[in-house]
Amino acid sequence: DTAVSQTPKYLVTQMGNDKSIKCEQNLGHDTMYWYKQDSKKFLKIMFSYNNKELIINETVPNRFSPKSPDKAHLNLHINSLELGDSAVYFCASSREADYQETQYFGPGTRLLVL
Amino acid sequence: AQTVTQSQPEMSVQEAETVTLSCTYDTSENNYYLFWYKQPPSRQMILVIRQEAYKQQNATENRFSVNFQKAAKSFSLKISDSQLGDTAMYFCAFPLIQGAQKLVFGQGTRLTINP
Repeated sequence: DTAVSQTPKYLVTQMGNDKSIKCEQNLGHDTMYWYKQDSKKFLKIMFSYNNKELIINETVPNRFSPKSPDKAHLNLHINSLELGDSAVYFCASSREADYQETQYFGPGTRLLVL
Repeated sequence: AQTVTQSQPEMSVQEAETVTLSCTYDTSENNYYLFWYKQPPSRQMILVIRQEAYKQQNATENRFSVNFQKAAKSFSLKISDSQLGDTAMYFCAFPLIQGAQKLVFGQGTRLTINP
């Protein structure tokens, strides 16, 4: 029943490790996004995919690599984790890549890098 | 550059009171959408209400309504008959038109409803 789901919900790891976060939406949407929410609750977009094609790539370190195997899934892989990567990562989806469309968010993944 | 500003970091009201959260934005576009999202302690981001700039009429969803002042670029959220479950962070959001898929968020307002 969950519209946008993310796994895992919590991730605690050591600096230097590589980790992945998975996102799936069952809304039939064409567009998916990754946002990062920092410790001050500020939300900022990282990436967006439309029909498996990357359409937004913000100024994000290239240690972060999104992958969209199909339009219902958008995964985020992070290499060589750093302390500053600690944040909550949200996946979202919208029907189309258009400013009119509402974005629906997943429950977030809290990443803590020690 | 398009920006979104929420000037109230925290607010606190008693249950059943009415509270208004403010949001201002800056854009050179004529038609656009504005959104309010709620983030309760569970962390889930939930859409509260959305407003199309083309429409003069303020959007309403049950106890939630907006006061949209296009000329002033103001988009405030009014919560009537506030309930304990309204306790959350509230974010105003605006999609960048040039990068039409990007939502730009305000800094958020932490709202606490007291019993």
